[in-house]
Amino acid sequence: DAKTTQPNSMESNEEEPVHLPCNHSTISGTDYIHWYRQLPSQGPEYVIHGLTSNVNNRMASLAIAEDRKSSTLILHRATLRDAAVYYCILNYGGSQGNLIFGKGTKLSVKP
Amino acid sequence: DTEVTQTPKHLVMGMTNKKSLKCEQHMGHRAMYWYKQKAKKPPELMFVYSYEKLSINESVPSRFSPECPNSSLLNLHLHALQPEDSALYLCASSYPGTVYGYTFGSGTRLTVV
Repeated sequence: DAKTTQPNSMESNEEEPVHLPCNHSTISGTDYIHWYRQLPSQGPEYVIHGLTSNVNNRMASLAIAEDRKSSTLILHRATLRDAAVYYCILNYGGSQGNLIFGKGTKLSVKP
Repeated sequence: DTEVTQTPKHLVMGMTNKKSLKCEQHMGHRAMYWYKQKAKKPPELMFVYSYEKLSINESVPSRFSPECPNSSLLNLHLHALQPEDSALYLCASSYPGTVYGYTFGSGTRLTVV
């Protein structure tokens, strides 16, 4: 599976936007970019995913570089509830694909 | 129903015990997964079931035995575990393939004594 590189940790202030980067220079043409987050003492939670175009949903936006070698998860207004570990995951979008987690970015949100 | 339910939430077992973890979903997902997560580490994939058939076993020791009796239920049978097997065990489900998002349960916190 293609690898991703994320910063170990980031800090944000409440109600400000947060940009979480992810590098995936070895991405292949069929790899989807997935983002999950894990709040303390909970299972991972799906955030967003995309292939080539930028994506928006009620939780976040995903900006994908034109060469697909990097992407950014954007939380438009961070809240204290957004403090979590955010995982950027690549995987082949086939019928037998599976999600392999990397180390992720621990996001802290200050009031 | 948009949840994956795992029971029990906590389990303490001795090294000679036999126990089972249970996972249930009613979203019509036909792929189900077991992950193991040690403290401050990312989840590690253990098993994948697709259409009730085991499709991936990530070289997990035989003391862990998965079972998928039907499309809504996934079990993980535990026998003769070691203290290092203490971890959070997470179940997830999805439509088959990673084009779709996964839904995770809250996990079973297992302690082996």
